[in-house]
Amino acid sequence: DTGVSQDPRHKITKRGQNVTFRCDPISEHNRLYWYRQTLGQGPEFLTYFQNEAQLEKSRLLSDRFSAERPKGSFSTLEIQRTEQGDSAMYLCAIPSFPGANVLTFGAGSRLTVL
Amino acid sequence: AQKITQTQPGMFVQEKEAVTLDCTYDTSDPSYGLFWYKQPSSGEMIFLIYQGSYDQQNATEGRYSLNFQKARKSANLVISASQLGDSAMYFCAMREVLTTSGTYKYIFGTGTRLKVLA
Repeated sequence: DTGVSQDPRHKITKRGQNVTFRCDPISEHNRLYWYRQTLGQGPEFLTYFQNEAQLEKSRLLSDRFSAERPKGSFSTLEIQRTEQGDSAMYLCAIPSFPGANVLTFGAGSRLTVL
Repeated sequence: AQKITQTQPGMFVQEKEAVTLDCTYDTSDPSYGLFWYKQPSSGEMIFLIYQGSYDQQNATEGRYSLNFQKARKSANLVISASQLGDSAMYFCAMREVLTTSGTYKYIFGTGTRLKVLA
């Protein structure tokens, strides 16, 4: 139990389809991060939420990507018109406890775009 | 500019021996944090150790220690008495404050794949 649940764990889709990933922290945390990890690389920052406000977005987050955290608890990451280059692991992370420096990661959602 | 550099794509170590994984970083923020995470083949990111920029002592957690050399901007991970279960990818990461919004951003290196040999 990592403290962060991600769904789905695996998603295979055809190019051009839309996909949505969900991140559910087990307990309330004001900070929530999304990262993308491609094969053989480290996680790359995508976006950051402070409660329901999306405060930072990476340039990696093109206009096909949108993230929300409507009630400051769970978060969704949607990719529209998927491309093969979107194939990656999408990781959600929260502080290990309120105010912590350390991030706890979810198990991730692996996307494969055919 | 690359802010976290891990120059060792892969490392081998004999079981029960110690190994050092290198990490250098670059930041202009006086307040930052340095982390090491382990990622086994199962994919989960497991936190190992943390060092704050103002911490005087090098961090230690069981068999893990962080060799923090602030002037050289390096934060190497030392694993003592390697075990077969230590075989994994290891990522160095840095937390720095983003000045525009005052939020924290975490940046990861490209990782080092460690293989422990029996």
